[in-house]
Amino acid sequence: GQQVMQIPQYQHVQEGEDFTTYCNSSTTLSNIQWYKQRPGGHPVFLIQLVKSGEVKKQKRLTFQFGEAKKNSSLHITATQTTDVGTYFCAGNSGYALNFGKGTSLLVTP
Amino acid sequence: GAGVSQTPSNKVTEKGKYVELRCDPISGHTALYWYRQSLGQGPEFLIYFQGTGAADDSGLPNDRFFAVRPEGSVSTLKIQRTERGDSAVYLCASSPTTGLRTDTQYFGPGTRLTVL
Repeated sequence: GQQVMQIPQYQHVQEGEDFTTYCNSSTTLSNIQWYKQRPGGHPVFLIQLVKSGEVKKQKRLTFQFGEAKKNSSLHITATQTTDVGTYFCAGNSGYALNFGKGTSLLVTP
Repeated sequence: GAGVSQTPSNKVTEKGKYVELRCDPISGHTALYWYRQSLGQGPEFLIYFQGTGAADDSGLPNDRFFAVRPEGSVSTLKIQRTERGDSAVYLCASSPTTGLRTDTQYFGPGTRLTVL
């Protein structure tokens, strides 16, 4: 079945540094979604990418979907302490979401 | 409006006991999903309802797990003869009815189940 892998598993940055997490799927994805989960919280939807090569921005966050629709990335520019949390990518497997293990981001001031 | 709600927020039980976890989806959302999240892992799909029927239950780990949604709104996840390995956060999500795989899923706060 479809497997979604994320790297790195953990990332510790100083506030103001950039951060990138990468997502790779074993199969071609119809779309990919990104979620953020704060410590002790639940996943919160960030964005969805559908088109090959698509790039979307949300303030300091830039999301990319690969040309082959098998990989994606999330880049945060100039991290802030409010960016702390675990970032998950998820691909559709039927109607359900197939999540990666996530990348946990720690930002120290 | 109100988001997805789940009760209880925490449940501690003993091995072998039966538990029920409840999910109240966002009003008007006909699609409802159950996921399970273990520590350090991403949410793992369990079951998907479209209306009252389970459209996909391929993620249920075994026959000790069962879920219902009798009126197409509230759903209950039932676990029989609980085992220590069932300990996890059980997440519920709902999405609006478009029938598209690209629907955004809105997650509830989860129920943390601990089996002693």
